[in-house]
Amino acid sequence: AQTVTQSQPEMSVQEAETVTLSCTYDTSESDYYLFWYKQPPSRQMILVIRQEAYKQQNATENRFSVNFQKAAKSFSLKISDSQLGDAAMYFCARGPNRDDKIIFGKGTRLHILP
Amino acid sequence: EAGVAQSPRYKIIEKRQSVAFWCNPISGHATLYWYQQILGQGPKLLIQFQNNGVVDDSQLPKDRFSAERLKGVDSTLKIQPAKLEDSAVYLCASSPPGLAGAYEQYFGPGTRLTVT
Repeated sequence: AQTVTQSQPEMSVQEAETVTLSCTYDTSESDYYLFWYKQPPSRQMILVIRQEAYKQQNATENRFSVNFQKAAKSFSLKISDSQLGDAAMYFCARGPNRDDKIIFGKGTRLHILP
Repeated sequence: EAGVAQSPRYKIIEKRQSVAFWCNPISGHATLYWYQQILGQGPKLLIQFQNNGVVDDSQLPKDRFSAERLKGVDSTLKIQPAKLEDSAVYLCASSPPGLAGAYEQYFGPGTRLTVT
């Protein structure tokens, strides 16, 4: 089965510091997309960043960037200058596969320490 | 642009009762997803529609769950009869036309179901 693994159930970071959330995935496809979604407490899930596998350059969105290692099937999220509003569950997701389905990891709960 | 709408936001029912959830996707979004998210876990896809056709329902417990998407727009998800293990947040999401997985999914606020 195609899987997405987030090995860190919880992490904490001091406000203004940098934190990296890890994600590995399994796929037999050569072309696919990777996503990081953020789910704040009691709020809607929103997309943080997206990476297309055929692009060598790592995606960046303001304070959020990824380290995409295609050969290692690794897709980590780096949050720089952490803010209190970054506290949330973060889900890594991979898609599409042959069935055009997105698969989510189990999530990492990020705590921001003031 | 209006987001994905879901109702109700909360529902409490007793086991063996039935319940229905409603979703209205973003206008023009061809693909609609229903996910089940159990507390502390990632979303699990229950069913995916492309317009009004089912693309994937491999993880939908068909003996008790059913879903339809009328005219390729709104969708309803029904559970009958409910079990205790169905307690979860049910998320609806939609994405624009094209290779579904390539595009951002827009999520609704979810319906929190508690089965007692």
